[in-house]
Parts: sequence; C-alpha cells; structure tokens
Amino acid sequence: AQSVTQPDIHITVSEGASLELRCNYSYGATPYLFWYVQSPGQGLQLLLKYFSGDTLVQGIKGFEAEFKRSQSSFNLRKPSVHWSDAAEYFCAVGGTGGGNKLTFGTGTQLKVEL
Amino acid sequence: GAVVSQHPSRVICKSGTSVKIECRSLDFQATTMFWYRQFPKQSLMLMATSNEGSKATYEQGVEKDKFLINHASLTLSTLTVTSAHPEDSSFYICSAIPYKGQPMNQPQHFGDGTRLSIL
Repeated sequence: AQSVTQPDIHITVSEGASLELRCNYSYGATPYLFWYVQSPGQGLQLLLKYFSGDTLVQGIKGFEAEFKRSQSSFNLRKPSVHWSDAAEYFCAVGGTGGGNKLTFGTGTQLKVEL
Repeated sequence: GAVVSQHPSRVICKSGTSVKIECRSLDFQATTMFWYRQFPKQSLMLMATSNEGSKATYEQGVEKDKFLINHASLTLSTLTVTSAHPEDSSFYICSAIPYKGQPMNQPQHFGDGTRLSIL
C-alpha cells in the first residue's frame, strides 16, 4: 500500500529565511509525486509535480523539490520565504500502480514570522 | 487553465435533509473526478472516484447509499449527502483530471471545497 509521511506537523520560519519541508513516501511502483498548498478554507493548489526525468523539479511561487529514490524522499524547498507562503502544505503520491488515486500526507502547517 | 469550480462553498442545513454539491471543470473535460473529505486540521481522505458515464468507485468504509455520486457529463460531477446528520459535517473537496493524452500523467486540479454544517 502506498503511504506518505510528512514528519513535521508545524514549521515556523522567519520571512526571508530558507525553507525545507520533508516528505517520505512508500510506493511499490514508479511514483508520481506532488506538492500541494492549501490556504485556510480553500481547496488545494498544485505547486509542482514529478513524474520522471530530472529529479529536481521547479514549481510555482519559487518552490522546488528534489526526488531522491534512494531515500524515498521528495522534499520541498524555497530559498527565501515570503509572509504569503504561510499555509498548509501537502505531499502526495500516486502512479500507475494505483491508477490516478493520490495518497496524501498529513500536511505541514507553515507559519512565517515577520 | 485547469480551473475546477465547486458549489456551494458553504451550506448549513438541518439534520435529515439532503445536500447536493457540484463540481465543475470550467476549461477542460474531465473523465475522472475525485471526492475527498477533510476533517479540521487533517489530511484529505479519498471518498470515491467518479468516472463519466459509469458508477463511482467508493473507498472502503464509505457508504455509497449515503454519499451519492453522479458524473453525468465530462464537466460535471455531483455529490449528494443524503439524510445528512451532524457527523456528516465536514469540508468536502473535489478534484478533476484533464482528459488529454495519458491520464496517468495528469495532476489532479482541486476545487475550493464546500464547508457542510449539519445542525
């Protein structure tokens, strides 16, 4: 069965500081990996996705993520956080083994201090 | 592009009533839509997969007679919560996958969710 672990429930960073949100996955086939962001009371917005190819993926809003198969990780990074980045971030895994179904992690709540 | 509209955004109703939530893909066709439920400060739990022109596939533990799903066209799926009770209060989110090329390579695009409150 596929699963996603986001070990950090809450993270607080200062505006302008760098950010890394951790994501570890378990998947029996080739994984498709996603990062979504959710603002309070809203749906999810896709930040970036990895299907194949270059393991460093660029997304919207200055985010990037690196797929490391050996570590089963897909960590999200941003070099300089803005106050508007405060939100809930979800990592998700899917792929050919499970159709289009996604399994989401429990999320990481990001707080940005001014 | 890839906009998903969900309506209503919020609904409050009395226990025992049925509530219909619509999920529309505005600028693309979607053969597959998904319905999720999200409890406060928790992750998304997949309820069912909705395929245009066929019956929905429900996840284990989800009552299909309670949560009726209809996917009548390539741009519309509806979730009806029948005889709703307070325990059905939650945040319901739909998503859709564009029908183009290889569906497996398409990300899910999410609506803004519906906050359902049953009194």
